[in-house]
Amino acid sequence: EVQLVESGGGLVQPGGSLRLSCVVSGFTFSDPYMDWVRQAPGKGLEWVGRIKNKAQSYTANYAASVEGRFTMSRDDSKNSLYLQMNSLKTDDTAVYYCARDWSTALSSWGQGTLVTVSS
Amino acid sequence: QSALTQPPSASGSPGQSVTISCTGTSSDVGAYSYVSWYQQHPGKAPKLMIYDVNKRPWGVPGRFSGSKSGNTASLTVSGLQAEDEADYYCNSYAGSNNYVFGTGTKVTVL
Repeated sequence: EVQLVESGGGLVQPGGSLRLSCVVSGFTFSDPYMDWVRQAPGKGLEWVGRIKNKAQSYTANYAASVEGRFTMSRDDSKNSLYLQMNSLKTDDTAVYYCARDWSTALSSWGQGTLVTVSS
Repeated sequence: QSALTQPPSASGSPGQSVTISCTGTSSDVGAYSYVSWYQQHPGKAPKLMIYDVNKRPWGVPGRFSGSKSGNTASLTVSGLQAEDEADYYCNSYAGSNNYVFGTGTKVTVL
């Protein structure tokens, strides 16, 4: 069974930092690209970014709204995906989902972790 | 990158069909055959329903279908069932390793 489990969410002040983790099981983690998607309370989905696999040099791409502030990484030996979020703004408040990228679609999703940016 | 445009709501009676549109531009929906659709029930994670415009993942009922014409993609749910009541989001590749979601449509089964 494919499982993705996010953690690391919580309350952080504006300008602060937070690191999210996503541990996966049920598939060969090193193969697929992986994405982060977020959803502000009561709002729609927003693509955050994607990190490719080792064959593609772990290249990461980001949405313009987080470029320069967020950094994606992965540790294939730990079946883990990470999202380092710096210079957080109140607009970054959202549930953050990790997802497996498959044929340009997101085939499996975690249950999400809530990040609240507030003073 | 602006969000793709979807109608806020759509509805139908059980057994009827409902079609949701997803309008983008010649730089995203119109440029690539990489449109996917996701279903999201309240408090749950999204679920992939359609990928590459019109392909269904294993396990998704055949009454879900997708299509595209120009800059607009569509999702049709035929034979509506109570469990189809959910929010639906389209997504498209937008070039330069970027993706964009639609604004979302709430489907109500009357």
